[in-house]
Amino acid sequence: EIVMTQSPATLSVSPGERATLSCRASQSVSSNLAWYQQNPGQAPRLLIYGASTRATDIPARFSGSGSGTEFTLTISSLQSEDFAVYYCQQYNNWPITFGPGTKVDIK
Amino acid sequence: QVQLVQSGAEVKKPGASVKVSCKASGYTFTNYVMHWVRQAPGQRLEWMGWINTGSGNTKYSQNFQGRVTITRDTSATTAYMELSSLISEDTAVYYCARSSGWPTAIDYWGQGTLVAVSS
Repeated sequence: EIVMTQSPATLSVSPGERATLSCRASQSVSSNLAWYQQNPGQAPRLLIYGASTRATDIPARFSGSGSGTEFTLTISSLQSEDFAVYYCQQYNNWPITFGPGTKVDIK
Repeated sequence: QVQLVQSGAEVKKPGASVKVSCKASGYTFTNYVMHWVRQAPGQRLEWMGWINTGSGNTKYSQNFQGRVTITRDTSATTAYMELSSLISEDTAVYYCARSSGWPTAIDYWGQGTLVAVSS
């Protein structure tokens, strides 16, 4: 099973600032990596798939990069609605696995 | 628009089984696979398995092998997840979610169903 790790666990950022979230896979997942945003009490929402492709209706301030084992999600200028938990997920190998999440909160 | 609407919250006793439904609409049901993912309180998302809604073929996580059964009713455009031999650690929100096959990302999620296991 591929183990996904994320850092930091919590990221405190002021509105308008840039946030950089990291995700690492225990072995290569090629570019089969997705990022999801989850707000309390809600289902996850797909932000990025294929490591760098924004999903439908996702604002351009969200960008993804990386391949293999190291990935990054960048939020260029945080808006109030962006304070949430972010999960990375690999879908290259069975079973599909998720990272533990990074909580982005208001500084 | 794509919608995945799940059945309501359940409270079960240890040892019992639970069956959660997921009604799909807004797209061709058999063109997408349906995953089941759960999230225990304060924990990461955990993939349980999927069903190819066209063929009915299934694939399960070894963590749930033998306890989980995923089925579908194409005429009702509904997928089901049944989990047996429940223990307290199975208390979680259970989500259905679709993707267009392998390897593709999950793009839509149901609203989640809380299953609480308590004596």
